[in-house]
Amino acid sequence: KQEVTQIPAALSVPEGENLVLNCSFTDSAIYNLQWFRQDPGKGLTSLLLIQSSQREQTSGRLNASLDKSSGRSTLYIAASQPGDSATYLCVPNTDKLIFGTGTRLQVFP
Amino acid sequence: SAVISQKPSRDICQRGTSLTIQCQVDSQVTMMFWYRQQPGQSLTLIATANQGSEATYESGFVIDKFPISRPNLTFSTLTVSNMSPEDSSIYLCSVGENLSTDTQYFGPGTRLTVL
Repeated sequence: KQEVTQIPAALSVPEGENLVLNCSFTDSAIYNLQWFRQDPGKGLTSLLLIQSSQREQTSGRLNASLDKSSGRSTLYIAASQPGDSATYLCVPNTDKLIFGTGTRLQVFP
Repeated sequence: SAVISQKPSRDICQRGTSLTIQCQVDSQVTMMFWYRQQPGQSLTLIATANQGSEATYESGFVIDKFPISRPNLTFSTLTVSNMSPEDSSIYLCSVGENLSTDTQYFGPGTRLTVL
């Protein structure tokens, strides 16, 4: 059974800092892994999708890496901004999406 | 990409009643998914709804409690029946044409409070 752990559970930083959000999962037989952000009162917004054959994906200030064999993924956020404040979810996909409880990020001015 | 809308966005309901949540997608999709997020918890898959077939429910979820309709390729409904306070959650629908390769898109969610 797939289990997802995200560290840290919560993070509060001043804007401008470079951030590292860590994710580990127990079942490495994944098709892909997706990073989402969830804002209060809104749904989930897809940030990056990494296929199982890929090592990383980049979109703007975001970079996600995947080490499938060790069951780890990392999301890097460069030059954080207050608008980045949200809960970030790492979601490995076997034949269904498995969610952890995420990392709650607060970036203050 | 897919744009998904849900109705209602939120509701407060009395114990014992039922609520039907609608999910509308701006393009035709084969697979639609319904999730529940209880307060402080992660998302849990309720069921997968494919057009033209009965929904497939995950362990712990039953059709009598969460009947689902999928009348066409752009629309689905989830009913939460005979509600209790434990059903207070955010309910989200999601779509993705190919679960093994494609980005999954989520609706904004329906926040349900049961008194």
